[in-house]
Amino acid sequence: SQQGEEDPQALSIQEGENATMNCSYKTSINNLQWYRQNSGRGLVHLILIRSNEREKHSGRLRVTLDTSKKSSSLLITASRAADTASYFCATDLSGNTPLVFGKGTRLSVIA
Amino acid sequence: GAGVSQSPSNKVTEKGKDVELRCDPISGHTALYWYRQRLGQGLEFLIYFQGNSAPDKSGLPSDRFSAERTGESVSTLTIQRTQQEDSAVYLCASSQDYRTYNEQFFGPGTRLTVL
Repeated sequence: SQQGEEDPQALSIQEGENATMNCSYKTSINNLQWYRQNSGRGLVHLILIRSNEREKHSGRLRVTLDTSKKSSSLLITASRAADTASYFCATDLSGNTPLVFGKGTRLSVIA
Repeated sequence: GAGVSQSPSNKVTEKGKDVELRCDPISGHTALYWYRQRLGQGLEFLIYFQGNSAPDKSGLPSDRFSAERTGESVSTLTIQRTQQEDSAVYLCASSQDYRTYNEQFFGPGTRLTVL
């Protein structure tokens, strides 16, 4: 089964609104990464948050991590049509194992 | 090159034929990963190479799947006797090394269609 599960599976918002996506995982992790995928092609790394961090920012992105709840959230503020994509969280179980990706949240931003 | 490249971008084949997919990682990246992504699904890990260490093949779905990597350069993923359920996008990624805090850089993928 998937280590990370994103929620919701799909999200549709108006341009300018904020988009929040959640990721839950099952076992302890060292770090969690968020990736973006356009049109079913290659993924692009957005941000990494380590297990000892609670929040990170990068431009319009804000990521939180709650290790007690085994969950993370990705907030995109002031969304734009160009933010339309699928967003995946990826977790690791230890420093030596490949990342495990969730099924993703499909975000549609309507202009 | 500037990024990870994959070829071909699209491949249509008949059931039972063998296919070979190619990945050129970013120069200097010692770790290389292959993933499979079925339509509307997440990424399914297939295999991972780290330098000259034995590859982690734990994700390969059957013995019809195999992959090779020459040193720290090109990798090929081979699917023998293709089946319709092999239809998917095959993504390759590379990272500086195996440590999971390193960002993975993805290629554009190869879309495989098995008729």
